[in-house]
Amino acid sequence: DAGVTQSPTHLIKTRGQQVTLRCSPKSGHDTVSWYQQALGQGPQFIFQYYEEEERQRGNFPDRFSGHQFPNYSSELNVNALLLGDSALYLCASSLELAGVTGELFFGEGSRLTVL
Amino acid sequence: AQKITQTQPGMFVQEKEAVTLDCTYDTSDPSYGLFWYKQPSSGEMIFLIYQGSYDQQNATEGRYSLNFQKARKSANLVISASQLGDSAMYFCAMREGRGMDTGRRALTFGSGTRLQVQP
Repeated sequence: DAGVTQSPTHLIKTRGQQVTLRCSPKSGHDTVSWYQQALGQGPQFIFQYYEEEERQRGNFPDRFSGHQFPNYSSELNVNALLLGDSALYLCASSLELAGVTGELFFGEGSRLTVL
Repeated sequence: AQKITQTQPGMFVQEKEAVTLDCTYDTSDPSYGLFWYKQPSSGEMIFLIYQGSYDQQNATEGRYSLNFQKARKSANLVISASQLGDSAMYFCAMREGRGMDTGRRALTFGSGTRLQVQP
């Protein structure tokens, strides 16, 4: 049973460019969340997708957008890249009705470097 | 607003010894869950242990236990019999609310503690 998979694992962009990151959730999971983890910090919540709609959003600008497909996979898009967008982007999947514990399953992340 | 504080940027422990990683939290919601994750150099966040705010007993999972002191709002992770493979970043996280729809609730993470296990 494959866990959460993300691509690409590493990428380098220049300021002003756009980037798309991809995530396939754990089999059977219907909810995908994206987190940004800057170097030396804990992950910060970007947004969450369920039933192909953005359900909630953290404190991130509109340059960050996403999409969820009918097969539950998801994309994170970042426009007009800034140096400060350099980070590890983590995708996490879960079940909407995950029970009391509601464990999140994370991928290994996509490490973005903006030059 | 919910907040997680981890005051130990780095910790060293000798192999086979026990170590405690500190975590304090702040929330006004009486219902919440506390999590610990391990992040090795590969980047993946690995779930270790969960404690619910209404749980009467401290959670345990193998060599991991959570020292939950609700009045002090602390949720320290104790790793017994440390192994070289335990060297990693450790994050404390919290999710407010309770119920079957927990999958829709975001986690708030602390800044982490880097644990190094020495032979």
